[in-house]
Amino acid sequence: EAQVTQNPRYLITVTGKKLTVTCSQNMNHEYMSWYRQDPGLGLRQIYYSMNVEVTDKGDVPEGYKVSRKEKRNFPLILESPSPNQTSLYFCASTKSDGANYGYTFGSGTRLTVV
Amino acid sequence: AQTVTQSQPEMSVQEAETVTLSCTYDTSESDYYLFWYKQPPSRQMILVIRQEAYKQQNATENRFSVNFQKAAKSFSLKISDSQLGDAAMYFCAYRRYGGTSYGKLTFGQGTILTVHP
Repeated sequence: EAQVTQNPRYLITVTGKKLTVTCSQNMNHEYMSWYRQDPGLGLRQIYYSMNVEVTDKGDVPEGYKVSRKEKRNFPLILESPSPNQTSLYFCASTKSDGANYGYTFGSGTRLTVV
Repeated sequence: AQTVTQSQPEMSVQEAETVTLSCTYDTSESDYYLFWYKQPPSRQMILVIRQEAYKQQNATENRFSVNFQKAAKSFSLKISDSQLGDAAMYFCAYRRYGGTSYGKLTFGQGTILTVHP
């Protein structure tokens, strides 16, 4: 089954404790992206990657890091989480050669930073 | 920068009736794509319908259809014969055609749709 696998589904952590949210896709998609969803703001792009070793900032990159060492994986790293990073996070992927393919989203990670 | 606005935070409809969700966007591009996504309580993001800006014909997917007004930069979603399973958050999204940020989706704020039996 074609899918984006995102883990964990729920995470509660304390301020300053480094964490990683994993994302893996099995569709050989070139483009992968992270979004955060907040009430009244919709989804906003954090970081994206157009291919292996090619990453760039989205609209709200502060406090986050990413890496793309393999095509299938695109982890999101919070090195020193703060309460304002409490949010719902989505990983998504798509092919690079046309919008008609649409996007495949992970099932989301609900992060709470206390 | 492109922006997407959904001015209706909440909407409600009776089962079997029709409801229209509004979306406007701002862009200087001539080629782009527009999407409606559904997010039920399970949080899964489900593609409902998509529209290419170069196509004049409005997209339709079963009970879902759009009214795409390019000059007015409007992209509304009509749900006919509403069902209880249509209850969800709906997001309008924009994607540019080509360029280095081709893959970015710009989302609206979302509209919560309630369906009454």
